[in-house]
Amino acid sequence: DTEVTQTPKHLVMGMTNKKSLKCEQHMGHRAMYWYKQKAKKPPELMFVYSYEKLSINESVPSRFSPECPNSSLLNLHLHALQPEDSALYLCASSHRVAARNQPQHFGDGTRLSIL
Amino acid sequence: QQQVKQSPQSLIVQKGGISIINCAYENTAFDYFPWYQQFPGKGPALLIAIRPDVSEKKEGRFTISFNKSAKQFSLHIMDSQPGDSATYFCAAPQTSGSRLTFGEGTQLTVNP
Repeated sequence: DTEVTQTPKHLVMGMTNKKSLKCEQHMGHRAMYWYKQKAKKPPELMFVYSYEKLSINESVPSRFSPECPNSSLLNLHLHALQPEDSALYLCASSHRVAARNQPQHFGDGTRLSIL
Repeated sequence: QQQVKQSPQSLIVQKGGISIINCAYENTAFDYFPWYQQFPGKGPALLIAIRPDVSEKKEGRFTISFNKSAKQFSLHIMDSQPGDSATYFCAAPQTSGSRLTFGEGTQLTVNP
């Protein structure tokens, strides 16, 4: 079991739907991340939150909207997604963004399929 | 963005054999090199990590060797087991610490 919990594990949605992915950690980490991972590829960074503030947006389309309500929670709101957005969406956390030698801990992801 | 080049792309090893995965990096400012193990349907799990002031780190059957002058580091899995069959990613943080640069991954298959 990972210490970063993601829900739901699987999500199928149409291109006009609105849904949200949720991530939770209780390790006291103040940095949280969203990644997108395609099959047989490494994770690609999407967003970084540091102390509940968005610090990095890797030019992600606006149909993905992150939110960090508190230090333990991270959401990713989805709207009007495209079939190419089908992927495994991973959440990760670490002690602090600028902390060297601090590993990122990943959740098991949400497998997203866009019809 | 600095790159981390990982090889081989796939690796098949017999049970009990040694699995070796190599990574090369460009940025000498990297100071922390984690390896992640990912099973199908799961997220990457931190396996082992090393700092460049250490030439080797061993945890059980897993060993990282680090060659600072060659800008290379490698993962050795001794006595490989079928349960080790997974995808392995090397990684290095960008200078700011906020971005992890991943290698392309190695799909390891350990035959019984």
